[in-house]
Amino acid sequence: SYGLTQPPSVSVSPGQTASISCSGDKVGDKYTCWYQQKSGQSPVLVMYQDTKRPSGIPERFSGSNSGNTATLTISGTQAMDEADYYCQAWDSSAVVFGGGTKLTVL
Amino acid sequence: QVQLVQSGAEVKKPGSSVKVSCKASGGTFNNCAITWVRQAPGQGLEWMGGIIPIFDTANYAQRFQGRVTITADKSTSTVYMQLGSLRSEDTAVYYCARSDGFNDYDTFDIWGQGTMVTVSS
Repeated sequence: SYGLTQPPSVSVSPGQTASISCSGDKVGDKYTCWYQQKSGQSPVLVMYQDTKRPSGIPERFSGSNSGNTATLTISGTQAMDEADYYCQAWDSSAVVFGGGTKLTVL
Repeated sequence: QVQLVQSGAEVKKPGSSVKVSCKASGGTFNNCAITWVRQAPGQGLEWMGGIIPIFDTANYAQRFQGRVTITADKSTSTVYMQLGSLRSEDTAVYYCARSDGFNDYDTFDIWGQGTMVTVSS
């Protein structure tokens, strides 16, 4: 079955750029999206169709997807961005989530 | 904007079944799909399956086939997820989420608040 692999954790200093990767076989041929989940809360969509931001998501969030890697980038990271992030794609009518990445803002 | 309101926490015995509801508040399920995702304590998100209420067509993750049933009541804009033969590993928060469909470009833009299901003898 298809799999998406994320690093378990990423650390970043406030104001710096955080990049979270999501690796999968030819994931660049699929649409990916990203969810942010803060502790004790439901997931929130922060990026869809690789590069599109939903209404209300800050411009510092951006996405890319090519080859075998999709990436969520947070520019000028703020303390409020500390959360778990999950990538997601579809494969043969099934939803696939990455394992999640814990973003720590030090 | 529609909100998804889920039923309350459940405690179940191993071998029993649980039925969790997800109701659209401030709108209906017209022209959308509702998916169920679960999250075990300290773990990631796991897709279980979903349904397009207006067509009553359900799509299940292979690992839950035969154990999960997702149904919709269009008259009350409520979707149900029933999971049977419960075991301790099914202890998790169960979320419903809305998408426009089951296409490869669809995303889950609205999530319910989650329902904690605890399986314990």
